[in-house]
Amino acid sequence: SAVISQKPSRDICQRGTSLTIQCQVDSQVTMMFWYRQQPGQSLTLIATANQGSEATYESGFVIDKFPISRPNLTFSTLTVSNMSPEDSSIYLCSVETVNTEAFFGQGTRLTVV
Amino acid sequence: AQTVTQSQPEMSVQEAETVTLSCTYDTSENNYYLFWYKQPPSRQMILVIRQEAYKQQNATENRFSVNFQKAAKSFSLKISDSQLGDTAMYFCAFMKPPRSYNTDKLIFGTGTRLQVFP
Repeated sequence: SAVISQKPSRDICQRGTSLTIQCQVDSQVTMMFWYRQQPGQSLTLIATANQGSEATYESGFVIDKFPISRPNLTFSTLTVSNMSPEDSSIYLCSVETVNTEAFFGQGTRLTVV
Repeated sequence: AQTVTQSQPEMSVQEAETVTLSCTYDTSENNYYLFWYKQPPSRQMILVIRQEAYKQQNATENRFSVNFQKAAKSFSLKISDSQLGDTAMYFCAFMKPPRSYNTDKLIFGTGTRLQVFP
């Protein structure tokens, strides 16, 4: 298994500002993932973050809006840039272990006002 | 492309009773993984149970079991002896292994909100 610490757990931000979300894992993992969960919705993959390479973004998500860092095998950050109320969501990081199980952080509830 | 469908937006069950949540999926793959995740109000996504498609035997984890019908592409979750702590959103998910770089992703259904009543 993997224990994931995600910070902050929640934040209220002004539109036009940026927020960086941190994800720390208690073991080294190759692949880390960032998801968005809009209110009452399912999870949508934003991007896959691999150490040593640029993140791979899913359709509808771009690096300028959601820059991601992956400096080592236990840590990643997601920045939500130039925020608007439409960015109000829960953001979750996830890792996959060698036995193909995905574990999630506790999520960051972002409200943009 | 793979899709996952959960046709029950909301379900309710009385404590100690049994409830079954439905999930169907569409894929052309022969080998894959299926999962049920639970998301309580705390937002934490918790893996409930997983099934490998190549295994005919249905997975079981304590009070949780699945009915995996590969030909029908159906993957339902049965919760026995329901407890108040089972109240949560339940998501069915599909993954095509191996989860190699940029090729495969965990695909979620839209979720079923389960309420367990005393």
